Amino acid sequence: ETGVTQSPTHLIKTRGQQVTLRCSSQSGHNTVSWYQQALGQGPQFIFQYYREEENGRGNFPPRFSGLQFPNYSSELNVNALELDDSALYLCASSLDLPRHTDAFFGQGTRLTVV
Amino acid sequence: GQQVMQIPQYQHVQEGEDFTTYCNSSTTLSNIQWYKQRPGGHPVFLIQLVKSGEVKKQKRLTFQFGEAKKNSSLHITATQTTDVGTYFCAGLNNNDMRFGAGTRLTVKP
Repeated sequence: ETGVTQSPTHLIKTRGQQVTLRCSSQSGHNTVSWYQQALGQGPQFIFQYYREEENGRGNFPPRFSGLQFPNYSSELNVNALELDDSALYLCASSLDLPRHTDAFFGQGTRLTVV
Repeated sequence: GQQVMQIPQYQHVQEGEDFTTYCNSSTTLSNIQWYKQRPGGHPVFLIQLVKSGEVKKQKRLTFQFGEAKKNSSLHITATQTTDVGTYFCAGLNNNDMRFGAGTRLTVKP
């Protein structure tokens, strides 16, 4: 167990809806990164939060947004869901940026958009 | 933009054989990390390489970082059935972390 927990583990949404995914980082870690992993692909970096500020963003549209709280837990919000958003969403926590040093991944949230 | 290519996509070996996966970046990297993901699981951090030409070993696993910090390899000696999974490299450049597509390893007992 890594100490990084994500909720929910599975989710089914309809195209056009909005979704919020949650991540509790490992104790002592102040950096959370979010990734999208499509089936059979490597994780794609969405964005990273460090001490409640966004620090780095991958090639994802603005309808992907996030938040980090004072306790360093984080949320990923996706608006206007599309079928291609179906994927495993992973969060990883680490201590200090920008090196993504020793990132520990949660078990992921599998999102299905129908 | 930065691209990270990983080969081969799949590798099937007999137990006891060696295995190598290669990772190449289009840009110079600050560091490279390797992860293992079991089927249905999440990526598990294996190691991070930072220095040019760095070589690190973990039991039967040997990790190398190229002199130009644009390529890396993971070599497993005498594979075991417990080695099955997908191995990903992830390269960091200017806080942009890019994963390779992974090499899926299967091991026949």
